Amino acid sequence: AQSVTQLGSHVSVSEGALVLLRCNYSSSVPPYLFWYVQYPNQGLQLLLKYTSAATLVKGINGFEAEFKKSETSFHLTKPSAHMSDAAEYFCAVSPQGFQKLVFGTGTRLLVSP
Amino acid sequence: KAGVTQTPRYLIKTRGQQVTLSCSPISGHRSVSWYQQTPGQGLQFLFEYFSETQRNKGNFPGRFSGRQFSNSRSEMNVSTLELGDSALYLCASSDTSGSGNEQFFGPGTRLTVL
Repeated sequence: AQSVTQLGSHVSVSEGALVLLRCNYSSSVPPYLFWYVQYPNQGLQLLLKYTSAATLVKGINGFEAEFKKSETSFHLTKPSAHMSDAAEYFCAVSPQGFQKLVFGTGTRLLVSP
Repeated sequence: KAGVTQTPRYLIKTRGQQVTLSCSPISGHRSVSWYQQTPGQGLQFLFEYFSETQRNKGNFPGRFSGRQFSNSRSEMNVSTLELGDSALYLCASSDTSGSGNEQFFGPGTRLTVL
């Protein structure tokens, strides 16, 4: 079964520092991968998705992710953190042939001034 | 375009009762999926409906059921509520059904079971 693993339940960075949130996937076939963000008391918002068109995927709010097949990774990065980036981030995979999303356990990003 | 709306936003029930949650997808979207979010189990897929038919179902007991109407609005029902059903229930809509489609999420309904 396809799954994703997010390393680190909490990540703390200073404002202006690099953001790196890790996600590794498990899939025997090319996966569809997503990053979603959830702000307190809100639903999920799509940041970006990988659908095999390009290995470097650019998303909203300055985030991007690189698909690395050799490392089975899809890490999320942002060059410079803003206070408004503080939220919970979820990596997800969409199994072939199914609409459903299988989510990782999430990483809470804390941004300090 | 209006986003996905869910009603009610908050709900308090007692054990043994049943509850119905509603989801209105983005106009033109025909696929609606439901997810349960809890601190212990995280985000878990409940089921997906497309054109009034259940396409996929997650690993939840039969107490959890849903349906979709001809206007694509969907309802989810939980019968004989248990304390462990306390969760944020998220609905997501998509224009089609299948892998890789972007799903747009609503704000969720927070259910508390006492």
